[in-house]
Order: sequence, then structure tokens, then C-alpha cells
Amino acid sequence: DVKVTQSSRYLVKRTGEKVFLECVQDMDHENMFWYRQDPGLGLRLIYFSYDVKMKEKGDIPEGYSVSREKKERFSLILESASTNQTSMYLCASSLAGGLTDTQYFGPGTRLTVL
Amino acid sequence: QKEVEQNSGPLSVPEGAIASLNCTYSDRVSQSFFWYRQYSGKSPELIMSIYSNGDKEDGRFTAQLNKASQYVSLLIRDSQPSDSATYLCAVSKDQFYFGTGTSLTVIP
Repeated sequence: DVKVTQSSRYLVKRTGEKVFLECVQDMDHENMFWYRQDPGLGLRLIYFSYDVKMKEKGDIPEGYSVSREKKERFSLILESASTNQTSMYLCASSLAGGLTDTQYFGPGTRLTVL
Repeated sequence: QKEVEQNSGPLSVPEGAIASLNCTYSDRVSQSFFWYRQYSGKSPELIMSIYSNGDKEDGRFTAQLNKASQYVSLLIRDSQPSDSATYLCAVSKDQFYFGTGTSLTVIP
């Protein structure tokens, strides 16, 4: 079974803080993704990575950065958290075959920025 | 135009009935199609994937793909209260595109 884990289920931060969200997958997947999910807007892709040290912007990268130093680990960084970044953050991974292979999701981190 | 459109619902069906969920997509070059189930407060979990025209069955679930009409549907037979969730349609071409989901309630 694919297992994707995320460092926190719930997180509360203050405006201006630097926030790290971490994702780990244990199935040797090539691709990893960060989404945010908001009511009425669905899942929106923030960043993805298809290899170690490689990253690509998704649809809404502003205010975020990512790091992938090891194949199994993909971190999302909010350099200076703002209230409009309050959301559910979902990490996903997929095996290979381009970016169209089945994606498996972690449990999500619900981030509140006060 | 959105890449993927779903009726947001909510859709309510009685226990034991067939639930029908629909999804349309805008780009004919889309390659792969997925249905995910998401319980409230949880992350999406894969139910089924379908790649070619026609029906694909897995237990009580049947996915149907019609590329000419650009729609994909999910049928849930013998619906159970535990099927109550939001169902997300996803379409892939260069990346994944998700619909906003259809909320399903199965009434005991």
C-alpha cells in the first residue's frame, strides 16, 4: 500500500511567521505534489516535483516555495504566512509515467493563519 | 472555461438505490480519468481510474467514459450510508485537473 504522511494534521500560525509543511512517501514515487483545497474552489496545484531537487510551479505558486532534497520528502514553505493562506494543504505522490499517473494523497494539514 | 465541471449537488439517494455522478471535461486531449472519494475532513482516496471508452466495473462502482461527448460518470449500486461523501472527478493531460466535487448523501 502506498503511504503518504504529512507532518501535522492541524497547525495554527500567526501572520508573518515562516511555516514548514512536510510530506513523506514510502513507495519510491518519482512525482510529488502540493495542493491546497478551499470550499467552492476545489483542489489547486501549488507546486510539483518530478525528481530530487527539481520543482515546477503549479497554478498558484505565489507566496509559497518548495524543497525536495531527498526522493521521499517534499516540503512546502510559506515564507511569510498570511490569513489568505488559511486552507487545507494536501500532499500527493505518483509513481512515474509523466505527471498523469494515479496520485495518492496524504491525510492533509489544516492550516489556520491568525 | 473550467477544465473539469461537476454538479456540486448535494445529491441525496435512499439506501439501496443507484447513485449517478457526472463529470464533463473541456479538453479532448485529456488522457486519464479518475474518481476520488473524500469524507468530510479527510483527504481524497482513489476509487477508480479509467482510460478508454466504455464501462469499468469494480464491485458496486462502475465508471463510464465517453470521449466523444467528453464526459465521465460514476455509478454506485446498492448505495450505503457509508458512501456519503464528496466525490471528486479528476482528469489528466499535462497535469491533474480536479472538479470541485459532488456531495452525496445516502439516506438510511
